[in-house]
Amino acid sequence: GDSVTQMEGPVTLSEEAFLTINCTYTATGYPSLFWYVQYPGEGLQLLLKATKADDKGSNKGFEATYRKETTSFHLEKGSVQVSDSAVYFCALRGSGNTGKLIFGQGTTLQVKP
Amino acid sequence: EAGVTQFPSHSVIEKGQTVTLRCDPISGHDNLYWYRRVMGKEIKFLLHFVKESKQDESGMPNNRFLAERTGGTYSTLKVQPAELEDSGVYFCASSQNAWTGAYEQYFGPGTRLTVT
Repeated sequence: GDSVTQMEGPVTLSEEAFLTINCTYTATGYPSLFWYVQYPGEGLQLLLKATKADDKGSNKGFEATYRKETTSFHLEKGSVQVSDSAVYFCALRGSGNTGKLIFGQGTTLQVKP
Repeated sequence: EAGVTQFPSHSVIEKGQTVTLRCDPISGHDNLYWYRRVMGKEIKFLLHFVKESKQDESGMPNNRFLAERTGGTYSTLKVQPAELEDSGVYFCASSQNAWTGAYEQYFGPGTRLTVT
């Protein structure tokens, strides 16, 4: 069945460092891909998404490109801030109509001043 | 507009007891989803309502879990009797558009359940 694999955390970076969180997926058909973020004490928020191959999702300085040839959707940010400290989840929604999301295990990011 | 709300935010119960979690979706959202994250692992789908009907309950772990959605509004998830492995964070999400599932899912803050 469909699945998502994320790099293990936690990831600890200094402020202004470059961030990459790897995400690969296995799916039939043409899934949509998402990154969700959970800040401390809050619910999951959609960070960005891409619905077809070669689409680039972007938001708040974060980017991810839907790469069908490598089945990847890596999250990147050029310069992280302390406020980016959170748990990041990669997810896919299959090409069926139910809308259910399949998540990776989450990557905790801690940014130090 | 109010977001998705969940109650309680925290619940600690003993093995064998019953717990009921509640989710209030965003008003007008036909789709309602339950998910669970156990011990730092991935968030797993439990079930999906379209209005008051169960569209997909393939993720429900066993018959100790019972979900309902009264009148297509709020939903409850009952665990009876609770076991240690049921501990985790239970998330609820809702979205518009009953039949395509294509709209963004908005998540609640989750209920942290601890079974001792």
